[in-house]
Formats: sequence, C-alpha cells, structure tokens
Amino acid sequence: ILNVEQSPQSLHVQEGDSTNFTCSFPSSNFYALHWYRWETAKSPEALFVMTLNGDEKKKGRISATLNTKEGYSYLYIKGSQPEDSATYLCAFIGALNRDDKIIFGKGTRLHILP
Amino acid sequence: DAGVTQSPTHLIKTRGQQVTLRCSPKSGHDTVSWYQQALGQGPQFIFQYYEEEERQRGNFPDRFSGHQFPNYSSELNVNALLLGDSALYLCASSLPRGTYEQYFGPGTRLTVT
Repeated sequence: ILNVEQSPQSLHVQEGDSTNFTCSFPSSNFYALHWYRWETAKSPEALFVMTLNGDEKKKGRISATLNTKEGYSYLYIKGSQPEDSATYLCAFIGALNRDDKIIFGKGTRLHILP
Repeated sequence: DAGVTQSPTHLIKTRGQQVTLRCSPKSGHDTVSWYQQALGQGPQFIFQYYEEEERQRGNFPDRFSGHQFPNYSSELNVNALLLGDSALYLCASSLPRGTYEQYFGPGTRLTVT
C-alpha cells in the first residue's frame, strides 16, 4: 500500500511570518506530484503540478520544491496572510499502470493568527 | 466556463439504503474521478471513469459502483449503506493525459443514520 504523508497535521502561524510544510511520497514509480489548497466551504484548487526532480514552482508568496529521488516536496509560504488559512493537500500520481492511482495525503491545516 | 458541478449538496440516508450522487465535469474534460473524504482524512480515491469505463479503482468494496455517460457526466452509486459511509464525496474532472491535475466540485455531504 502506497502512503503519502504530510507534516505537520496542523500549524498555527502569526500573520507576517513565513512557514513551510512537507509531503513525503514513494520515491519509486513517480509520475507527478500535485499541491492543492482547500479553503473552508470551497472546493480544493490546484496550486502546483510538479513532474521533474528538482522542480521549483512559485505563485506569488507560495512556492514548492520537489525531490523525487528521496520522495519529498516542500511547500513554502512567505509573509503569511489571513487568506492563506486553509488545508494544503498533496497528491502523488504513480506512473501509469493498472494498479496506480492518485493518492492524497491527509493535509496540513494552516491557521494564520492575526 | 462551467466548472465541476455536483448534486445534491447534502443527503441523509438510513443504513441499508442506496444512494446515487451525480457529477458534471468541467467543460472540455472527459475523465471523472470520485473521492471519499472522511473526517480527519485526505480524499480517498474511489475510482476513475474515462470513455464510459472504469479505468482505475481504489480500495473500496463492490458496494461502490459508478457510471459515466456519453456527455462525460458521472454517477456514484453506493448500495447497502453503512454508518461508515458518512463522508464528503468529491468529484474531480481532468484530462486523460498529461499531469492529471484535478478540478474538484463542491462535494456532496452524505450522512448515514
């Protein structure tokens, strides 16, 4: 059974501070890794789609890195704002074969304190 | 451009009953995936439909079945409901190739009493 682990489960960060959290995934049979932001009462929305080892992606104050050889990805948020409060999910996509499917982590719930 | 839509929004059923949830994909998408999100868990992959066939399946019993129609919309059916089936059911659409970025609907909250 493939596992995708996210840490920490929950995080409280003061507004203006920077933070980061981790997604760990199987290092073999990698195809892609997705990060999603899920705000309360809304649908999860894709932040980043990452496919290559060493990928670094950035969207405003949020960035992500990918290490497929060791099986981890970091999500960074610089200068946290109240609107960053959400659950951040990562999803591992294995290489295509009949047993592979999209596997989500449990998410990191981020609370920004005013 | 319509995003992913799901119906109904909320549903209350009794143990042993059957339920059907519906999903319409984002315009231009032909692949639909269903997920179950229980409290405190990440979305668990149920199955994926492409070209009206189940292409991949997660670790869910046969009580969970689905269908995809020629217009790419999809249904999730759950028979013989158990209390443990209470969850948020998310539908996501994507393209069948590429990076499989998921576009999610708002979900259906199912409560089994």
